[in-house]
Amino acid sequence: GENVEQHPSTLSVQEGDSAVIKCTYSDSASNYFPWYKQELGKRPQLIIDIRSNVGEKKDQRIAVTLNKTAKHFSLHITETQPEDSAVYFCAAKISGGNQFYFGTGTSLTVIP
Amino acid sequence: GAVVSQHPSWVICKSGTSVKIECRSLDFQATTMFWYRQFPKQSLMLMATSNEGSKATYEQGVEKDKFLINHASLTLSTLTVTSAHPEDSSFYICSASTGVYGYTFGSGTRLTVV
Repeated sequence: GENVEQHPSTLSVQEGDSAVIKCTYSDSASNYFPWYKQELGKRPQLIIDIRSNVGEKKDQRIAVTLNKTAKHFSLHITETQPEDSAVYFCAAKISGGNQFYFGTGTSLTVIP
Repeated sequence: GAVVSQHPSWVICKSGTSVKIECRSLDFQATTMFWYRQFPKQSLMLMATSNEGSKATYEQGVEKDKFLINHASLTLSTLTVTSAHPEDSSFYICSASTGVYGYTFGSGTRLTVV
């Protein structure tokens, strides 16, 4: 199966700074890479995703980049705000499969 | 969009008792549901994959006799924690595939065993 690694496990940034979370995957057949934000005690919420035929995608302050050759993808949050504080998970889905393989999560704290 | 309803949202039970958690797909048919366990500030650990009309597939290290999964219909999957002990206390969450790229989560169940 797929193996997704995520770094860092914890990240603290000052409000207004940027945050970057990186993930690598092992199976070259993976073709869909979503990112989820999870607040304490709540369900993960999809915040952005990217498919393997795209190298970068942006949605306001959030962007995701994908390097298929190196098998890694990253989440970029600019102009961070305290409400961005949460745990973020990356995931990968193998083409033709229906299971998502999750990274180990990054606990982001934005310091006001 | 696709919604998965999970109940209860939290439950406290005594050691030795069993607890059932339900996940329902409200506006779509979920042939496959996934059950996860999550400890505070940790990742989602896949416990089992629940397939409608067949036996669930459990991940290595997950006791199938302790965590009973039933997926009797296209809209309902249940997880029963049998003979619960304090170490079973955790956040349990289900999810369902909603298409080629869709994946929706239930709201989670906080289980506390006392």
